[in-house]
Amino acid sequence: QKEVEQDPGPLSVPEGAIVSLNCTYSNSAFQYFMWYRQYSRKGPELLMYTYSSGNKEDGRFTAQVDKSSKYISLFIRDSQPSDSATYLCAMYRAKTSYDKVIFGPGTSLSVIP
Amino acid sequence: DGGITQSPKYLFRKEGQNVTLSCEQNLNHDAMYWYRQDPGQGLRLIYYSQIVNDFQKGDIAEGYSVSREKKESFPLTVTSAQKNPTAFYLCASSIVAGGPSGEQFFGPGTRLTVL
Repeated sequence: QKEVEQDPGPLSVPEGAIVSLNCTYSNSAFQYFMWYRQYSRKGPELLMYTYSSGNKEDGRFTAQVDKSSKYISLFIRDSQPSDSATYLCAMYRAKTSYDKVIFGPGTSLSVIP
Repeated sequence: DGGITQSPKYLFRKEGQNVTLSCEQNLNHDAMYWYRQDPGQGLRLIYYSQIVNDFQKGDIAEGYSVSREKKESFPLTVTSAQKNPTAFYLCASSIVAGGPSGEQFFGPGTRLTVL
């Protein structure tokens, strides 16, 4: 079993739809959870960052962490064509200086005008 | 503007050649990383460096080498020993390695194609 799993998509939605992107993970020691957005042929950019369980909202984006289920989600409200990108989840244990950030493979999202 | 730059954006290499990818940051970050990205796969860590003159192998270090002589620079050499080097290479940095958050900031990437 991979440490982090993510449905690769592609996911195609009409403009204005609510989008739900999800990741599951196996290591219960992860404490920090991130979502990156990556446009085609560009580097990933940090979108959302959460610590432990709970929700975090930033504009149209909401990140949700359920540590009991080892499941994280990113919701995008009122999706726009500019949201079309690949979304990578990432997580991190932060116990030692040698801990590494583990990335999911990414979900490709297309928002159709 | 603070950020991470990578050059070149596109690189073509003949089989048997070594090539060096450049990564520079002016964020004053201690830690720097190199990842490889292939279609359908997550980012795979090649090498990382927590401090100048120190670096550690990541998950797929074979066929690659790095140096960290300056805080702001972390070049990656793809050697002829790397069996399948065609990929998108991403450099990243973070304030410290093993720091409280793990947030990494990425450069724009270099696409390497072996002819």
